[in-house]
Amino acid sequence: QVQLVQSGAEVRKPGASVKVSCKASGYTFTTYYMHWVRQAPGQGLEWMGIINPSGGTTDYAQNFRGRVTMTRDTSTSTVYMELSGLKYEDTAIYYCARTPEGHQLAHFDYWGQGTLVTVSS
Amino acid sequence: EIVLTQSPATLSVSPGERATLSCRASQSVGRYFAWYQQKPGQAPRVLIYDASNRATGIPARFSGSGSGTDLTLTISSLEPEDFAVYYCQQRSNWPITFGQGTRLEIK
Repeated sequence: QVQLVQSGAEVRKPGASVKVSCKASGYTFTTYYMHWVRQAPGQGLEWMGIINPSGGTTDYAQNFRGRVTMTRDTSTSTVYMELSGLKYEDTAIYYCARTPEGHQLAHFDYWGQGTLVTVSS
Repeated sequence: EIVLTQSPATLSVSPGERATLSCRASQSVGRYFAWYQQKPGQAPRVLIYDASNRATGIPARFSGSGSGTDLTLTISSLEPEDFAVYYCQQRSNWPITFGQGTRLEIK
């Protein structure tokens, strides 16, 4: 069965960076695009960007360009999201989410369990 | 970017009754939208995609309708497990955007 398993909670100081992982299993890693979506406490969902696990190409939401980097490791079927220059308002749950095979712009059919990133001094 | 505005913010309905949730887009999204359910402490789960297609395992009491700028999610007869937050999402244009959510609570 399809599973997206994310790394554990993180606490960082303002200005620091955080790297969250998402390990995929149960399907062919390179044929499904992966996205990152975040959710601030008590708030809605915000799309951050997309990575093509096959070639590693990425596209980021305007709000995050210059601060976010998405990468992948095909040998372990893992995608990573690194966010730098952390601010208090980056405190959120970060989700990886998959779109159906071959589709970049689509609904999200599977989600990771989420990783809480807390920015605190 | 396309802004999705959901209404109402909170909807109070009794179990067994019908719930209708709305989502208005700032420009046409065609039929390229989806609905998600999110329960406390859980990731969102897709219910409906491309306007009216139920995702795998989603009960028939959930239905989606609409196109263009006015999108609707209907739950025909509420079960206790349906009380949650619901989000619409558009996939018509980049960037992908979500509505701010409707909280469905027990009346």
